Amino acid sequence: KQEVTQIPAALSVPEGENLVLNCSFTDSAIYNLQWFRQDPGKGLTSLLLIQSSQREQTSGRLNASLDKSSGRSTLYIAASQPGDSATYLCAAFTGGGNKLTFGTGTQLKVEL
Amino acid sequence: NAGVTQTPKFQVLKTGQSMTLQCAQDMNHNSMYWYRQDPGMGLRLIYYSASEGTTDKGEVPNGYNVSRLNKREFSLRLESAAPSQTSVYFCASSDGLAGTRYFGPGTRLTVL
Repeated sequence: KQEVTQIPAALSVPEGENLVLNCSFTDSAIYNLQWFRQDPGKGLTSLLLIQSSQREQTSGRLNASLDKSSGRSTLYIAASQPGDSATYLCAAFTGGGNKLTFGTGTQLKVEL
Repeated sequence: NAGVTQTPKFQVLKTGQSMTLQCAQDMNHNSMYWYRQDPGMGLRLIYYSASEGTTDKGEVPNGYNVSRLNKREFSLRLESAAPSQTSVYFCASSDGLAGTRYFGPGTRLTVL
């Protein structure tokens, strides 16, 4: 059974800092991995999807990497801003691609 | 382009009442999903529809039914609501089971 863990559970950084969020999964036979952000009381916003054949995916200030052999993905946020404050979730696709297992999330706070 | 829309946004039911949550997407996606999100439990899949005309159970289907009305719409029905069904319900869609998942804004349901 796939298990997805995100450490730390919460993170507070000053504005402008570069930061890395971590995501670990137990079953390396994943299809894709997707990163989301969730603002309080809101739905999930898709940030990036990394296909199993890719090692990195970039969108603006965000860069996500995937290392299947070690069971890890990271989300790098450059020059953090208060508007980046949210909970970040990673999710691994397994079971033929139709099963999506979510991590427990990292709650990020970027302070002025 | 509204993405994934859900109605209603909020609902309060009494135990034993029934209701239908509506979901629609305008991205021409084949696959649609219903999740529930509970504190400490993360996101769990209730039902999904890989393509128009098909539906399958997810992790927690008991107490729910679904209808894939057409390619755009996927509804979730609670026949006899129970307090354990108090949760936030999210609809999602994707172009294929392993494609990027896009989520709606959610329905906050309280069962008294």
